[in-house]
Amino acid sequence: AQSVAQPEDQVNVAEGNPLTVKCTYSVSGNPYLFWYVQYPNRGLQFLLKYITGDNLVKGSYGFEAEFNKSQTSFHLKKPSALVSDSALYFCAVRDVGTGGFKTIFGAGTRLFVKA
Amino acid sequence: SAVISQKPSRDICQRGTSLTIQCQVDSQVTMMFWYRQQPGQSLTLIATANQGSEATYESGFVIDKFPISRPNLTFSTLTVSNMSPEDSSIYLCSVGSSTGYEQYFGPGTRLTVT
Repeated sequence: AQSVAQPEDQVNVAEGNPLTVKCTYSVSGNPYLFWYVQYPNRGLQFLLKYITGDNLVKGSYGFEAEFNKSQTSFHLKKPSALVSDSALYFCAVRDVGTGGFKTIFGAGTRLFVKA
Repeated sequence: SAVISQKPSRDICQRGTSLTIQCQVDSQVTMMFWYRQQPGQSLTLIATANQGSEATYESGFVIDKFPISRPNLTFSTLTVSNMSPEDSSIYLCSVGSSTGYEQYFGPGTRLTVT
């Protein structure tokens, strides 16, 4: 069965500093990996995805994520955090091997960026 | 990306009643999904709704409790039946992207059952 773990409930970072939000996954086959962001009182927005190819993927708002197959991780990163990045971030995985569209979401990590 | 709207945006309902949530997409999509999210918590998939076929429900969710309609490629409804306070949650409609990978989400319906 597929699963995804976000080990940190909350990440605090100062504005201008780099940020990392961690994600590890478990699938029986190859994964499709995603990051979504949820701003207060708004719906989820797609940030970026890893499907195949280059392990470093770039997405919206300057975010990027690195797929590491040996560590089964897909950590979200940004070189310089903004106060406006404060939100709830979800990592999600889909097992390619199942052939279905079912996507499993992590528990979420709340990011606080302090000015 | 698809633009998704949901109605109502929020509602307060009495125990034992039913509420139907509507989801409208601005383009034709094959796959639509219904999720439940406790505020600030993760998302749980309720069911997948494809036009012209019965919805596929995830473990723990049944059609009698959460009947879904999918009359065309731009619209779906989710009914929460015989509600109890445990059904209080945010219900999200989602569609698959044209690439077949990521999903787009509606703004959600915040349901409170008293």
